[in-house]
Amino acid sequence: GQQLNQSPQSMFIQEGEDVSMNCTSSSIFNTWLWYKQDPGEGPVLLIALYKAGELTSNGRLTAQFGITRKDSFLNISASIPSDVGIYFCAGQSIYGQNFVFGPGTRLSVLP
Amino acid sequence: NAGVTQTPKFQVLKTGQSMTLQCAQDMNHEYMSWYRQDPGMGLRLIHYSVGAGITDQGEVPNGYNVSRSTTEDFPLRLLSAAPSQTSVYFCASSYGGGAGETQYFGPGTRLLVL
Repeated sequence: GQQLNQSPQSMFIQEGEDVSMNCTSSSIFNTWLWYKQDPGEGPVLLIALYKAGELTSNGRLTAQFGITRKDSFLNISASIPSDVGIYFCAGQSIYGQNFVFGPGTRLSVLP
Repeated sequence: NAGVTQTPKFQVLKTGQSMTLQCAQDMNHEYMSWYRQDPGMGLRLIHYSVGAGITDQGEVPNGYNVSRSTTEDFPLRLLSAAPSQTSVYFCASSYGGGAGETQYFGPGTRLLVL
């Protein structure tokens, strides 16, 4: 089946630093979603992307739909302790209606 | 709106026992789905439904049954639990299953099978 790769797998950063992570696919996607999951909770939608090249912001978060339609990027500016969690990308391909999820990037923010 | 609700939050089963994980949404969403999440892995789709009376298999359907008698509810049944089914289960819903539809997740059910 389709798979998504996320990198990095995990990262430790200092509070105030900017963060970049990405998600890649072997196939073309119509939609990219970015979720954040806090410990013991379900994933919460952060940003949704619907067009190649689209750049969308949500507060300190900015995500981009890659031009090739096979990747997406998430940036977090000026990280704060509550940014800690696992960030998942999910994609919906042109071949099906179901979403495929990446394995996640685990973010730790050091004070 | 309560959004997507799941019960129970935690469950311990013995191998061979059966149980039903409940999922309900009050957003009048047509599309509902069940995922399992295992350590170090993304969410994997178990079953999904595009509307009442319609269900289909996802990536990892074996050992699970679903039904969709109403728009609001989408229960997941484990007929004979196995240790390999120890996982965290998430239910999700969206207005439709088409391109561009975003999904909203419940808080999860943590299942341990001994």
